[in-house]
Amino acid sequence: ETGVTQSPTHLIKTRGQQVTLRCSSQSGHNTVSWYQQALGQGPQFIFQYYREEENGRGNFPPRFSGLQFPNYSSELNVNALELDDSALYLCASSSLRASGSYGVKNIQYFGAGTRLSVL
Amino acid sequence: AQKITQTQPGMFVQEKEAVTLDCTYDTSDQSYGLFWYKQPSSGEMIFLIYQGSYDEQNATEGRYSLNFQKARKSANLVISASQLGDSAMYFCAMSFNAGKSTFGDGTTLTVKP
Repeated sequence: ETGVTQSPTHLIKTRGQQVTLRCSSQSGHNTVSWYQQALGQGPQFIFQYYREEENGRGNFPPRFSGLQFPNYSSELNVNALELDDSALYLCASSSLRASGSYGVKNIQYFGAGTRLSVL
Repeated sequence: AQKITQTQPGMFVQEKEAVTLDCTYDTSDQSYGLFWYKQPSSGEMIFLIYQGSYDEQNATEGRYSLNFQKARKSANLVISASQLGDSAMYFCAMSFNAGKSTFGDGTTLTVKP
């Protein structure tokens, strides 16, 4: 058990709809990263939030957006859903320090994911 | 661009034997971290082991060890004394300053009784 919880576990939406996925980070962690994992592939980095600010973004369009709250929990929002958005969405929490090897030893603790199906 | 390559889509190993899962990486950064994660069928990614680019010794965590060859840009995972519960997908990943991580496409390991 990592202490990272994601909700919901499964979700079915139709093309064009909007979806919000939620993640509660592990106690003591200040950073949340979101990943999209298509079937049979490795996770693809969507973005990361550090102390409520976006701290890096992967190659995803602006319709993927996020938030981090003062308690370091986070939301991933996806607008105008497309069929290709069907995937497992993973949230990972970690503890970054703005000094030394910042970000390199970023051991991430993952939740069990939200499986999104877009019909 | 940073890239992780895992060339073994699937591997089989007999219970109690050792197995090596391959990982090569490509980056021009000098400072980076290398990780291995295990993903059972339940979907949750489980952290196994970490190696920093400046670490001189290979990392070990229980039955897991990381064979780090910096000049060859490889970071292979060695699992000793395989157990049935080791059957899962294994991902190699790399992280950089600012925390962004890049994952490979994984290797499915099946442990035979």
